[in-house]
Order: sequence, then C-alpha cells, then structure tokens
Amino acid sequence: KQEVTQIPAALSVPEGENLVLNCSFTDSAIYNLQWFRQDPGKGLTSLLLIQSSQREQTSGRLNASLDKSSGRSTLYIAASQPGDSATYLCAVTNQAGTALIFGKGTTLSVSS
Amino acid sequence: DAGVTQSPTHLIKTRGQQVTLRCSPKSGHDTVSWYQQALGQGPQFIFQYYEEEERQRGNFPDRFSGHQFPNYSSELNVNALLLGDSALYLCASSFPGLGNEQYFGPGTRLTVT
Repeated sequence: KQEVTQIPAALSVPEGENLVLNCSFTDSAIYNLQWFRQDPGKGLTSLLLIQSSQREQTSGRLNASLDKSSGRSTLYIAASQPGDSATYLCAVTNQAGTALIFGKGTTLSVSS
Repeated sequence: DAGVTQSPTHLIKTRGQQVTLRCSPKSGHDTVSWYQQALGQGPQFIFQYYEEEERQRGNFPDRFSGHQFPNYSSELNVNALLLGDSALYLCASSFPGLGNEQYFGPGTRLTVT
C-alpha cells in the first residue's frame, strides 16, 4: 500500500530565506507526482507536476525534484515571501493514473 | 476559462440524513475524482468517474456513491450520514491526454451534527 510522508509537519522562516520541503513515498511505481498549495479552508492549487520519467520541474521561484528509485521528492522555494504562507501537499498518482495519494502536508509560515 | 466549480460551499446536516454534492469540471476535462479531507489530514481518494462509469474506488463504504452526467459534471451522494463524515469534500478534474494533472475545486464543507 502506497504511503506518502512529508517532513517537517510545520516550518517557520523569516522572509527572504530559501527553503526545502521533503516528501517520501513507499512504492516507486507511480504515474506522476504533484505538489499543491492549500490556504486555510480552501481548495488545492496545483503548483508543479512531475511525470514519472522526469527528474525536475520549475515554475518561477519553485523547483521540484523527483527521485523515483529512492522514493523522494523535494520542493525548493527561493526567496520566501509572507504570501507563501500556506500548507504544501505532496501527492503521487498510482500507476493506473487515477487516484492521488496525499501526504499530510507541511504548514509553512513566512514572517516579515 | 472556468476552473472546477463545486456547490454548495457549506452544508449542515443531521446524522442519518442524506446529502448530494455537485461538481463541474474544468473546460476540456472529462474525468472527475472526489476526495474527502478531514481537518489536519491530507485528502483521501473516494472514487473517480470517466465516461459516466466509476473507474476506481478508494476505501470508502457503499454509503458513498456517485454519478457522472454526459456533460462530464458529477455528483457525490452520501447516505445515512455519520458525525465522522464531517469534512471538506474536494472535486478534481483531469484529462488523460494532459498528463493526468488534477485540478481541484474550492470544496464543499460538510458539517454533520
């Protein structure tokens, strides 16, 4: 059974700092991996999608990497801003390409 | 380009009642998935609909059922509500030809009293 773990559960940083969020998964047979952002009480916003054949994706200040063999992904956020404060969720899609399996998320707080 | 929409935004029901939640997918998407998110947890997969059929189901009881219409919109029905069904219900849409990237709606907050 696929399990997704995110470390740390919570993170507080001052504005301007670069940071890394970690995600690990137990079964390397995945279709793809997505990183999402969730603001309190809201839906999920897709940040980056990495196909199983890819190693990384970049969007603006965000960079996500994928190492299927070790079952790990990282989300790098450069020059953090208070507006980046949210919960970040990592999810892998099962090999059939249907269900997303989520971690519990990392809650990020960026202070000005 | 309208994204994924869900209705209603909030809902309060009593134990034992039945509820129907609705979802319209992003334009161009033909696949709809439903997720349940309890407070402080990641979303849990309920089921996915494609071509009006349930394609895959997660570990949820038969009290949870769904439907997809010819215009790709979808409904989630929950019967015999329990207090533990209180959660944020999220709908996501996708299109297989676009790498199966899932786009989520704002969710429906269900409270069971």
